[in-house]
Amino acid sequence: GAVVSQHPSRVICKSGTSVKIECRSLDFQATTMFWYRQFPKKSLMLMATSNEGSKATYEQGVEKDKFLINHASLTLSTLTVTSAHPEDSSFYICSARDFGLAGTDTQYFGPGTRLTVL
Amino acid sequence: AQSVTQLDSHVSVSEGTPVLLRCNYSSSYSPSLFWYVQHPNKGLQLLLKYTSAATLVKGINGFEAEFKKSETSFHLTKPSAHMSDAAEYFCVVSESGGYQKVTFGTGTKLQVIP
Repeated sequence: GAVVSQHPSRVICKSGTSVKIECRSLDFQATTMFWYRQFPKKSLMLMATSNEGSKATYEQGVEKDKFLINHASLTLSTLTVTSAHPEDSSFYICSARDFGLAGTDTQYFGPGTRLTVL
Repeated sequence: AQSVTQLDSHVSVSEGTPVLLRCNYSSSYSPSLFWYVQHPNKGLQLLLKYTSAATLVKGINGFEAEFKKSETSFHLTKPSAHMSDAAEYFCVVSESGGYQKVTFGTGTKLQVIP
């Protein structure tokens, strides 16, 4: 199946700094990518939908200015956590939508990025 | 609106015995349904998906699920559990056959006892 990568896999930063997480679709083009957040022992919460070349659509309650999303190409979306605080510590997972052959529509998930803010 | 309910937060089975993870959904339109597995500190892996074709869907690693519209269910089963099946399993629903927006269930943690 298709592969989605995330970089970095783990990041530790000081409170007040900004962190950028990359999400790449390695062998397909993804016009739509999604960003999720997963709290410990909890399900995934959709943060935003990222469409190539346009502004991201954020879910209710997600701060646009804090979680900056850029989808500049068909294979790359980035999530920047600005002025990170300890409560932003979480597991962030991206996914990419692949319109395959025969009209298939599948979402492939990245391995996730563990963010720890000290 | 769509929602998905995973009825059990934890399921424990002995190795070699059947696995049943339950999922019920609610959707205003014809839904697409998926099961994903997540191993500790890992990303999500697609096990199988239903998108209005055959109601019995076979996935990877011997898992399968049956879409039952009358019961609004999409339970995940496997005839014989392996130790490597121990993980968190998520049932996911998406409306209108696509991935425009998905809703995750709260997850079921599967424990396999040797």
